[in-house]
Amino acid sequence: DSGVTQTPKHLITATGQRVTLRCSPRSGDLSVYWYQQSLDQGLQFLIQYYNGEERAKGNILERFSAQQFPDLHSELNLSSLELGDSALYFCASSPRRDYQYNEQFFGPGTRLTVL
Amino acid sequence: QKEVEQDPGPLSVPEGAIVSLNCTYSNSAFQYFMWYRQYSRKGPELLMYTYSSGNKEDGRFTAQVDKSSKYISLFIRDSQPSDSATYLCAMTPYSSASKIIFGSGTRLSIRP
Repeated sequence: DSGVTQTPKHLITATGQRVTLRCSPRSGDLSVYWYQQSLDQGLQFLIQYYNGEERAKGNILERFSAQQFPDLHSELNLSSLELGDSALYFCASSPRRDYQYNEQFFGPGTRLTVL
Repeated sequence: QKEVEQDPGPLSVPEGAIVSLNCTYSNSAFQYFMWYRQYSRKGPELLMYTYSSGNKEDGRFTAQVDKSSKYISLFIRDSQPSDSATYLCAMTPYSSASKIIFGSGTRLSIRP
């Protein structure tokens, strides 16, 4: 158990809908990262927040957005869902800023199925 | 062409065998090299990381980085059925530690 929690575990929804995925980082970790894992694209970095502020962006679609709250939990919002958004979404956390390497601890993931 | 290439396998070996997993990459800016293990329906967990070129050993696991060839390897000695998982190589440039680029993963199965 990494100490990172994600809810829900599974989510089934329809095309065009909007969903929110939630992540609680390990106690004391200030950085939260979101990843998407699909069969064809592998594990891809989406976005990072550090202490409430956006720090880095990866291959995140404009339909997706995220935020980190004062209690450091984070939410990933996915809107206008398409079939291709079906994937595993992982949250990871780490204690330090991004200018030096630090280990990222991954949560168990949320499996999103868009029908 | 992907920045990080990894043979997806699957790779099946008998228990006790030495396993070799490899990745190649194209971005010479990568400085930190990692290997993650991911069990089915779980999140990735970090096995080892290496900075720049060289070898690093941790128990039955050895990571090697050859920056001149843009090639990294993970060796597993005395493989166990519990090592059956997907192994992901990953790397990042020094200045952007958050933007980790992952390989597609190699599915490994250790036969008892």
